[in-house]
Amino acid sequence: DVVMTQSPLSLPVSLGQPASISCRSTQSLVHSDGNTYLSWFHQRPGQSPRRLIYKVSNRDSGVPDRFSGSGSGTDFTLEISRVEPEDVGLYFCMEGTYWPLWTFGQGTKVEI
Amino acid sequence: DVQLLESGGGLLRPGESLRLSCAVSGFSFRESLMSWVRQSPGRGFELVSSISGYDAFKYHADSVKGRFTISRDISRDILYLQMNNLRVEDTALYYCTIGRTADSWGQGTLVTVS
Repeated sequence: DVVMTQSPLSLPVSLGQPASISCRSTQSLVHSDGNTYLSWFHQRPGQSPRRLIYKVSNRDSGVPDRFSGSGSGTDFTLEISRVEPEDVGLYFCMEGTYWPLWTFGQGTKVEI
Repeated sequence: DVQLLESGGGLLRPGESLRLSCAVSGFSFRESLMSWVRQSPGRGFELVSSISGYDAFKYHADSVKGRFTISRDISRDILYLQMNNLRVEDTALYYCTIGRTADSWGQGTLVTVS
């Protein structure tokens, strides 16, 4: 089974400063159809998750452009160019390449 | 707009049964891949069950196989998760999601087995 490893698990940040989260998989996430189904989600305290990024680098509608995703194969990164107060919470990656055997990262808790 | 609204959670004893519902709107339900994902403090996020478009394929995680069943009622636009023989380790917040990459999530419904 694929294992997704996020780092760091806890990320203290300063407002206006950049932040970066890594997600590594034990197997390539390139699907036979050519797509890489790696997504990033944000969960604010007490709320349900919201997808931010899909297929590595595509921002969902309404997601601020300070969020960006990058990577390929087994190594992926979520970057926040300038942290805002509403960015606190849990960030996690998820691979959909091996559906239905979805695998989630452990999550990174971002705190101001 | 896509909307997902889960319901049916509660407090149960081990061995009891429960059916979760997810009322959907704003997209083509019959064609969509739908899943139940649970979140618990000790285990993080876990895909519980998935059903592909037109119900061609159903998946249940090993941890729930033989006890949980995913289904949908396209006449009522509701996704279900029938949960039998519940265990303490099934305690979690259960979400329904859409699509191969969990495009959207409901607000969740809490199941506590104790």
